[in-house]
Amino acid sequence: ETGVTQTPRHLVMGMTNKKSLKCEQHLGHNAMYWYKQSAKKPLELMFVYNFKEQTENNSVPSRFSPECPNSSHLFLHLHTLQPEDSALYLCASSQEGGQGAGNEQFFGPGTRLTVL
Amino acid sequence: EDQVTQSPEALRLQEGESSSLNCSYTVSGLRGLFWYRQDPGKGPEFLFTLYSAGEEKEKERLKATLTKKESFLHITAPKPEDSATYLCAVRGYSSASKIIFGSGTRLSIRP
Repeated sequence: ETGVTQTPRHLVMGMTNKKSLKCEQHLGHNAMYWYKQSAKKPLELMFVYNFKEQTENNSVPSRFSPECPNSSHLFLHLHTLQPEDSALYLCASSQEGGQGAGNEQFFGPGTRLTVL
Repeated sequence: EDQVTQSPEALRLQEGESSSLNCSYTVSGLRGLFWYRQDPGKGPEFLFTLYSAGEEKEKERLKATLTKKESFLHITAPKPEDSATYLCAVRGYSSASKIIFGSGTRLSIRP
């Protein structure tokens, strides 16, 4: 596997279900991110992890719960979601630190989530 | 507050018809400006990073340029496979690890 992988690629769940999204990066990066992408809206940053520590929670509802067990893996645990949470959920990674670097992010293919 | 505005929202071109996409930005100290390509239902694919005004980068039919207020993505003699949404994003020195994305330009190339 290369780059950033995400599973599952598609997920349909009811409002009372609990599910998890998984992300794995094979780039040796030290930071990982969750984004939400809804139709006709800019990418919305949800969570940031640097060296496995959460450094940003962008006012995300508690029905979304991230977990970062190590610098290569990131999870997003979902429970009691709402239909408006239906979107493409993207994981990204980057290498933080280093002088002069813009620290570009590399994205996975995303999980298309539908909440019924 | 850091901000990114992309125009036009959508652009339809004939194959071979060159054009440019615009990204206007405001940021307190530019750390990097990024261009991505995104195909429907897929994650954004990294294209370029630009760091300072006057810088240019090229990849195949794409060329990105940067001034202190905006960036252009020039597409020369496009082909139908260049059809995608092109995203611009900026990162400032004051925004820690946050990258701010624009809404994108949806580019369609007709054969």
